[in-house]
Amino acid sequence: LAKTTQPISMDSYEGQEVNITCSHNNIATNDYITWYQQFPSQGPRFIIQGYKTKVTNEVASLFIPADRKSSTLSLPRVSLSDTAVYYCLVGDHSGSARQLTFGSGTQLTVLP
Amino acid sequence: SQTIHQWPATLVQPVGSPLSLECTVEGTSNPNLYWYRQAAGRGLQLLFYSVGIGQISSEVPQNLSASRPQDRQFILSSKKLLLSDSGFYLCAWRNRGDLYWDGYTFGSGTRLTVV
Repeated sequence: LAKTTQPISMDSYEGQEVNITCSHNNIATNDYITWYQQFPSQGPRFIIQGYKTKVTNEVASLFIPADRKSSTLSLPRVSLSDTAVYYCLVGDHSGSARQLTFGSGTQLTVLP
Repeated sequence: SQTIHQWPATLVQPVGSPLSLECTVEGTSNPNLYWYRQAAGRGLQLLFYSVGIGQISSEVPQNLSASRPQDRQFILSSKKLLLSDSGFYLCAWRNRGDLYWDGYTFGSGTRLTVV
């Protein structure tokens, strides 16, 4: 499983766009990139997943450059309720177990 | 729709006592099941995963064990709890039949405090 590196913490203000970048230099051909959000005392929640270029859903956008060695989660117009830990994970669809390895994540704090 | 149930939500146990945490999944069959632990202020650590009934893989040697007596039931146990077993325990599942690598679904977690 590819190792990921992301900032430990970030601060932002309400209404701003937040971009969290994750490095995954040893990403493999079959690997997908997935982001999760976790609030205190809750399980992580799936946000978005992508393989290359750009993916957008109702919550966020995921930008992946051509070399796929990094990815950026973009949260538009954050609110106080977006304060959470955000995890970047990289994994492939080979094998039956497909266990996830979580890093330390990025603590995003949205300020009023 | 698929749902995952995990209980209890909180638990305070004395050192040396046994532990049993249960996780069940509804609305799917033959899922992959996982147990994670999260220490305070830390990331998630994979403890066990299972690809089928009776099939358990351990990621980290520890004071804990896991069992899967039924297709959609996953149990985390300990015979004698240690202080270091305190943490937030999360169960997760995913479909094995997916052709691409999609997201996992996590339960609401159990906060275990060993005193």
